[in-house]
Amino acid sequence: NAGVMQNPRHLVRRRGQEARLRCSPMKGHSHVYWYRQLPEEGLKFMVYLQKENIIDESGMPKERFSAEFPKEGPSILRIQQVVRGDSAAYFCASSQGTGKDYEQYFGPGTRLTVT
Amino acid sequence: SQQGEEDPQALSIQEGENATMNCSYKTSINNLQWYRQNSGRGLVHLILIRSNEREKHSGRLRVTLDTSKKSSSLLITASRAADTASYFCATVPYGNNRLAFGKGNQVVVIP
Repeated sequence: NAGVMQNPRHLVRRRGQEARLRCSPMKGHSHVYWYRQLPEEGLKFMVYLQKENIIDESGMPKERFSAEFPKEGPSILRIQQVVRGDSAAYFCASSQGTGKDYEQYFGPGTRLTVT
Repeated sequence: SQQGEEDPQALSIQEGENATMNCSYKTSINNLQWYRQNSGRGLVHLILIRSNEREKHSGRLRVTLDTSKKSSSLLITASRAADTASYFCATVPYGNNRLAFGKGNQVVVIP
């Protein structure tokens, strides 16, 4: 059973370009979460999605960031017109369900560098 | 405010010793989870403890949870050099599904 997959592992973008980060959850998991880790900081929640639905996007910046989890295919975190402050590691996690019994399993992350 | 705040300490111990880290949080929780992160890598899930549990073991790991004090501890027994990593606790607040992470504890195990 493959774990959570993320690609690319490393992404370099110039200021103003778009960044697309992909996440395939573990088999059988329909809940996907995105987190961001800035240098020397802990992870911060961004968005929680189920298939085709955004459930909680309270951690997403209001502008330039969007996320989707289509019926078919991976979840996508999209950052438009990137700025240097977007440089961070972006982690995706998935879970089989919600509530007190369900662990969130993380992918290896995508390290975004904005030059 | 940030949930799951570990004591901001860096531990440096000799191989074979035990390592203990603490974590406190502020609101009611569904569960608390501990993760390990090696430098520049992803997070590895270590253990989940539910809000109605007080102690849990997994191999060399022992986790306690005190909901009255809103705190948890992670004990690694008989540490190995491979345990060198950052350790994060994360809570799932009651009525919520997202993880709230602390800043992490850096543990260095000297061979």
